[in-house]
Amino acid sequence: KNQVEQSPQSLIILEGKNCTLQCNYTVSPFSNLRWYKQDTGRGPVSLTIMTFSENTKSNGRYTATLDADTKQSSLHITASQLSDSASYICVVSAASSGDKLTFGTGTRLAVRP
Amino acid sequence: KAGVTQTPRYLIKTRGQQVTLSCSPISGHRSVSWYQQTPGQGLQFLFEYFSETQRNKGNFPGRFSGRQFSNSRSEMNVSTLELGDSALYLCASSTSGTSFDEQYFGPGTRLTVT
Repeated sequence: KNQVEQSPQSLIILEGKNCTLQCNYTVSPFSNLRWYKQDTGRGPVSLTIMTFSENTKSNGRYTATLDADTKQSSLHITASQLSDSASYICVVSAASSGDKLTFGTGTRLAVRP
Repeated sequence: KAGVTQTPRYLIKTRGQQVTLSCSPISGHRSVSWYQQTPGQGLQFLFEYFSETQRNKGNFPGRFSGRQFSNSRSEMNVSTLELGDSALYLCASSTSGTSFDEQYFGPGTRLTVT
């Protein structure tokens, strides 16, 4: 069964600090992995998308890494800001007919001043 | 370019009733997907429509149905509501609906079943 697990479930950090969120998946065959940011009361917004051949991809202060061998991804946030407070969702796509998406349950990040 | 819009934003229904939610995609987008989001389960895929045809379906009971119109607007219907249907319902649109296409999500409809 395809699964995506994220850790930690929640995280509190001080403004200006860095943090790393983890995503482990068992989706097979792998197609791509996306990280989304979801602010409270809003729909998710895509941060990065990574395919099998990509190890690292950045979007401003957000850097995603992918290890397709161990089926792990991480999202690193540098110099956190209050606006980074949100849920971060890892989504993995299977390379099969229907292009099925498997969603993680997310990491809720709170950045405190 | 206007984003994805969903109506209504909030809805309160009682058990046994039915509900219809609406989603207007970004202009030019032909794929619309629907998701249910609950605190315990996260985002779960309901179905995807492309050019008025249901192309993919998640593991939800037949009480959940949808349709897409020729202008790509989509509606989702839930019949015989249960307490467990209380959730945030999100729709997302994309140009062709493949996983490589970025999906643009609407703000969601918060459904409460009492």
